[in-house]
Amino acid sequence: AQSVTQLGSHVSVSEGALVLLRCNYSSSVPPYLFWYVQYPNQGLQLLLKYTTGATLVKGINGFEAEFKKSETSFHLTKPSAHMSDAAEYFCAVSGDTGGFKTIFGAGTRLFVKA
Amino acid sequence: DGGITQSPKYLFRKEGQNVTLSCEQNLNHDAMYWYRQDPGQGLRLIYYSQIVNDFQKGDIAEGYSVSREKKESFPLTVTSAQKNPTAFYLCASTTRPEFGNTIYFGEGSWLTVV
Repeated sequence: AQSVTQLGSHVSVSEGALVLLRCNYSSSVPPYLFWYVQYPNQGLQLLLKYTTGATLVKGINGFEAEFKKSETSFHLTKPSAHMSDAAEYFCAVSGDTGGFKTIFGAGTRLFVKA
Repeated sequence: DGGITQSPKYLFRKEGQNVTLSCEQNLNHDAMYWYRQDPGQGLRLIYYSQIVNDFQKGDIAEGYSVSREKKESFPLTVTSAQKNPTAFYLCASTTRPEFGNTIYFGEGSWLTVV
């Protein structure tokens, strides 16, 4: 079975500071890894994903993540936080059971201080 | 525009009543999903459907039922057997998830039991 652990339910950064949201996964098969963002009272939208190939993945709004197989990690980073980045972020994994079951982490709420 | 439409956005239910949440997609996706979101618990899979006339239980299917009579529609019924139904419900769809394709989400439906 696959699982995802997001370290820190809340992260607070100052505007302009580095954003680092941590995600570790467990998988017995090569994983597909995703980061989604959710704004209040809305659905989720994809930030970026890793399927195969280059382990450093770039997404929308200046975010990127690196797949590290040896560390079973897929941490999300952004060099400089903006107020509009305040949202909830979810890491997810799939690939097991033919990819039809995507498992989500508990989420990390990002606060950005002016 | 293509997308996923969930209705209603807000729904209040009396204890002992069944309610049905609608989900319609015009993305021509084969796979559809229902997730439940509770604070601090991330998204939990209720049911998923790979093709028309087929669906599978997710991790928390007890007290819920679904149907998939048409490719574009995947309604979720919350029955009176669901002991704690107050939550945010998200419908999603994708194509070829076995290749790590992106899951697209609707805007969600809030269900409150009064």
